[in-house]
Amino acid sequence: AQSVTQLGSHVSVSEGALVLLRCNYSSSVPPYLFWYVQYPNQGLQLLLKYTSAATLVKGINGFEAEFKKSETSFHLTKPSAHMSDAAEYFCAVRGNNNAGNMLTFGGGTRLMVKP
Amino acid sequence: DAGVIQSPRHEVTEMGQEVTLRCKPISGHNSLFWYRQTMMRGLELLIYFNNNVPIDDSGMPEDRFSAKMPNASFSTLKIQPSEPRDSAVYFCASSQGGGFASYEQYFGPGTRLTVT
Repeated sequence: AQSVTQLGSHVSVSEGALVLLRCNYSSSVPPYLFWYVQYPNQGLQLLLKYTSAATLVKGINGFEAEFKKSETSFHLTKPSAHMSDAAEYFCAVRGNNNAGNMLTFGGGTRLMVKP
Repeated sequence: DAGVIQSPRHEVTEMGQEVTLRCKPISGHNSLFWYRQTMMRGLELLIYFNNNVPIDDSGMPEDRFSAKMPNASFSTLKIQPSEPRDSAVYFCASSQGGGFASYEQYFGPGTRLTVT
């Protein structure tokens, strides 16, 4: 079965500081991994995805994530936080159902950016 | 592309009333998902369809909830009768599976349901 653990339901950083949001997964099939962002009163928006190509994946808004098989991790980073990055972030892993298209989501991490 | 379209965006109703939420997936996508999001329980998958057929409805809370997908471009989630504990944001998402698809889901803006 697939599962996703996001360490830290809330993360607070200062504007300009490094953003690091942690995601660990378990999967019985080669994983496809995703990071989504949810701004207040909006739906989830895809930030980036890993689909077994390059292990360092670049996404929108300056975010990137590195797939580390040995650590079963897919942590999300951004070198310098901006106030507009304040949102909730979800990590997800592809399921192993026949259609292969279900996603298992983590519990989410709320990022707060202090001026 | 217009993305996933949901209606209404907000719904306020009284306990016991029937509520119908609507979703139009992205054209060409063959999978559709209904989620519910609350502060207490986070994001929960209610049901998903593949090629208009319900595949997994194990997340549907109880018989008061039902979902249909009569064609590839339309789905409904119905709650009858509604209860205050059904208050939540309901999201619809679609994806394109099979072949060389990467399986990411595209979410609609959600319907905020308040049952008083």
